[in-house]
Amino acid sequence: DGGITQSPKYLFRKEGQNVTLSCEQNLNHDAMYWYRQDPGQGLRLIYYSQIVNDFQKGDIAEGYSVSREKKESFPLTVTSAQKNPTAFYLCATDRDYSNQPQHFGDGTRLSIL
Amino acid sequence: AQSVTQLGSHVSVSEGALVLLRCNYSSSVPPYLFWYVQYPNQGLQLLLKYTSAATLVKGINGFEAEFKKSETSFHLTKPSAHMSDAAEYFCAVRRGNQAGTALIFGKGTTLSVSS
Repeated sequence: DGGITQSPKYLFRKEGQNVTLSCEQNLNHDAMYWYRQDPGQGLRLIYYSQIVNDFQKGDIAEGYSVSREKKESFPLTVTSAQKNPTAFYLCATDRDYSNQPQHFGDGTRLSIL
Repeated sequence: AQSVTQLGSHVSVSEGALVLLRCNYSSSVPPYLFWYVQYPNQGLQLLLKYTSAATLVKGINGFEAEFKKSETSFHLTKPSAHMSDAAEYFCAVRRGNQAGTALIFGKGTTLSVSS
């Protein structure tokens, strides 16, 4: 089945540690996105990528980094500079047309130890 | 700039009652609008989308939404609520009409359904 796989489902970070969230897709979509979800805040854009080897900052990129070395993969690293990393992280993809919906993975819940 | 406002962070209805979830948008270009549903600890599932083809849009699970340009609204409705409709609902608008642009989301409305 085509879809988006996020792993792990739950992740714990220690003080001063970097952690990486995985997002893999087999939908052959060009664009990929990372959103952060906090209770009562909706979803906020962290980073997005329209093509391989290119990505742009979203609204809340500070303390995060990404790479896009393959079309299928868009990992997100939460660095130690992100002082409030506890949230639900969602990866999304879409085709290269603005009237098409985004498809979402099942998310990764990150907590601080 | 585009923005989305969802009126009411929490809506409660009885099973069988009408569901109305409100969404107002602001957009400097003809908007592409979406409604998504989220169940606990899951990703978002598309309910329906508006892409200017028709003002009344039908989606999955009996939901529909009407685009009203004069009111800048895109409210979500369902004639008869079911217990399984209890979830969080998000309205979203594309940031622009270029390819590969991200969505702007409202803060969400939690729908509770009582028997």
